[in-house]
Formats: sequence, structure tokens, C-alpha cells
Amino acid sequence: DTGVSQDPRHKITKRGQNVTFRCDPISEHNRLYWYRQTLGQGPEFLTYFQNEAQLEKSRLLSDRFSAERPKGSFSTLEIQRTEQGDSAMYLCASSLDLSGAEGELFFGEGSRLTVL
Amino acid sequence: KNQVEQSPQSLIILEGKNCTLQCNYTVSPFSNLRWYKQDTGRGPVSLTIMTFSENTKSNGRYTATLDADTKQSSLHITASQLSDSASYICVVSEFLGGFKTIFGAGTRLFVKA
Repeated sequence: DTGVSQDPRHKITKRGQNVTFRCDPISEHNRLYWYRQTLGQGPEFLTYFQNEAQLEKSRLLSDRFSAERPKGSFSTLEIQRTEQGDSAMYLCASSLDLSGAEGELFFGEGSRLTVL
Repeated sequence: KNQVEQSPQSLIILEGKNCTLQCNYTVSPFSNLRWYKQDTGRGPVSLTIMTFSENTKSNGRYTATLDADTKQSSLHITASQLSDSASYICVVSEFLGGFKTIFGAGTRLFVKA
């Protein structure tokens, strides 16, 4: 499978615990995005990377959230001290952007987080 | 404020019927508009992408239109099938030094037998 893969697909945790999600983008894609989606809403932008550089972070990304893409390949999204309001689907997407032209976004299947 | 609004919020149709979903946006400067299909519990999958100069684009039974003057787009689904039941999300990109994508809340389509 050469698409975007996310792991785990589902995570149930207790409030206050830390969780980490992993995203493996399409191998040649230079951009990687994280989104959060709650029921009945469209995805909300969290952050994105151009290769290993994190270029933009949404104000939705509180201090409890941190994302990394250490080698410009896979990325991790960590949520510390989870709260019930963090319950959502976390989507990863990747694209190949060349010379200022925006590439098509390819999404993973998402990681669904439930905080009890 | 750049926004993307979709209507209706949800729609129920009978299998075999056609339907049209609407997307209005206030994003400027406009770069492109995309429609995605998202099955329940899955990631969105791209259906069409249109730039400023394109008025219509088809992908099988899906046809998207774009009126950049009125900032409106529609997604027409022909001869609906049960598998068309999903959320359809309109996404508009602006370019202001860099690209930024703005997602609509989606239209939830239910196709009934």
C-alpha cells in the first residue's frame, strides 16, 4: 500500500494520559499536514511540515500538542495530559508541492481518539 | 474572514435519483476548489479539483461546477448509488504568499434503497 498510513486507527485513553499518533506519508511527498475533525465538521488545520521543517501551527494547537517530522519522512503528533475535549479524529495528509504549485492532498484513514 | 459554507447540511435521496450539493466561499485570493468524499470513519478522498479558469469537471457520476465570479460551486451526483452515502466536503485554497486550505463542514448524503 503506497498511500498515507496512520497508526493507531483507534485509541481510547483516560483523561490526563499522553497519546502519540504516527503518520507515514506517501514516500515522495514533501509536505505533511495534521488536521483534527470532530463529528459533523470538516477537518480543522493543526500544523504542517515542509520536509522536516514545521512551517505553520494553528492556534488550535495548544501547548499540550506537539508534532515532529524528524527526518522529513514520518511524523508524530503527541497530546500530553489529554482532556475529554481532545476526543476527535486526527487526520494526516501529504502532498507534493513543486515550485510554488500546490499539490493534491492525500489523506490517511485517521486516528480516532476517545478520552474517557 | 475566509469562509467556506456548504448546503444543505444533510440530504436524503432515493437510490437512482440525482442530487446537487452547494458550496459558497469568501476565500480570496482564490487558488483552487476541491470536492472530497468522506465515508464514515475514513479519510477524505479527492473527487475533483478546479482552478480559477475551469467551470466544470467530471469524475464518473460526479460533476463539479465553479463560478468564480459569484464564488459558488456545486457538486452534482447522477444516478445515485447506496455507496454514495458519505459526507462531501468542499475545500477552497487561497494563495497569499503560500497556500492555505479552508474546509467546509460538509454535506451528509444518505442514499436509501
